[in-house]
Formats: sequence, structure tokens, C-alpha cells
Amino acid sequence: EVQLVESGGGLVQPGGSLRLSCAASGFIFSSYNMNWVRQAPGKGLEWISCIRSSSSAMFYADSVRGRFTISRDDARNSLYLQMNSLRAEDTAVYYCAREQGSGSYQNYWGQGTLVTVSS
Amino acid sequence: DIVMTQSPDSLTVSLGERATINCKSSQSVLYSSNNKNYLAWYQQKPGQPPKLLIYWASTRESGVPDRFSGSGSGTDFTLTISSLQAEDVAVYYCQQYYSSEYTFGQGTKLEIK
Repeated sequence: EVQLVESGGGLVQPGGSLRLSCAASGFIFSSYNMNWVRQAPGKGLEWISCIRSSSSAMFYADSVRGRFTISRDDARNSLYLQMNSLRAEDTAVYYCAREQGSGSYQNYWGQGTLVTVSS
Repeated sequence: DIVMTQSPDSLTVSLGERATINCKSSQSVLYSSNNKNYLAWYQQKPGQPPKLLIYWASTRESGVPDRFSGSGSGTDFTLTISSLQAEDVAVYYCQQYYSSEYTFGQGTKLEIK
């Protein structure tokens, strides 16, 4: 059974940093592209980043480019999101999601972890 | 970026009736080399992560009831629920994965009349 479990969320002050993790199981993690998608309270879904298998390429939404860094550790079956220079508008539930194939739809999602940016 | 625009923003339909949600992309998401539309539909219920319903614009994900169907090509797409059930109350999103920077529509909230 495919499982994705996010962790690392919490309360952080504006300008601060946070690192999110996503532990994957039930599939060959190294073979799949992985994504981060976020959802601000009461708002819609926003795709923010993708990392391809073998870390061959990374992509970012304009809203986070230059502040967030996506990475993966295939030996640990883990996905990460390093978030720097956090702003109030980064407050959201952050989901990790697995793509079915390269450059494809996301068919497995974690339950999400809440990040709150506030003083 | 490819902008995805859904209509309507909210929809109220009676049980057993048809529900139709539209999605329009700012540029074509049809890849000519394989004739596939890089368009997915997701359902999200309160407090839950999104659930994939439809991919390649019209292929139903395994386990999704056949009352859900997707259609369209190029820039205009539709999600249809043929006979609304109480458990279909949710927010529905379209998403393009044609470009490397995926984008979602703003969502359509579906409620029971």
C-alpha cells in the first residue's frame, strides 16, 4: 500500500525557516517524480514544486522560487521541502504527492502538514 | 504559466440530477505527439487530501464510480457527474500537467439542493 506521511510543520515567525519531510512507503520511491502542493486556509490548491526521479530536475512555482528548495533522499525514501524567508502568505497545509509517470498527474497524496507563519 | 479557469465557482444540484463543471486553460494542453490532453480532475472533501478522479482528460481512475466522466480537448474541458449522490458533495479541481509548472483551477464547490 502506498503511503505518504508529511511532518515538520508548525508555527514559525515571518522571515524564518522550516524544513518539511515526507516519508514514502509501499512503492519504489526512487522511480517516481514527487511534488509538493499547498492549500491556504479556506483556499484552493496551489502546486509549488516538483522533483524528478534521480533528482534530475526540479521545478518551482513563481510564488516560492528562490525561497524554497525541494530535495529527496532515495536511500531514506524521503522527500523534503526547505522553506526560507517565510511570509504570512505561506501559511497553508502542505501536501506531498506522487506522480504516476514522468510529467504526469498525482495519484497518491499524503494527509498534509500545517505550516503557520505568524509573529 | 498556464492559467486554469473553472466555472462555475459553486454549483447546487438536486440528488440524482446531472452536475457539470467546466475548465478552460489559457493555452492548449493537448500534446500533439501522443494526442493526449494533459488534464486531470480531483475531488476534495473537507479535511481530506485531494483524490484523483480523471486523468488524460477522460480516463477514470481505478475505483472511481462511472457516474464521473471527463471530456474535452485542447483548451476546454468538462467534468460531468451523471446522477449526483450525497457523497459527491466536495470541491472539484482541474489541473494541467502539460507544462513543467503544474497549475490548478480555482475549484468548484458542489452542494446538494
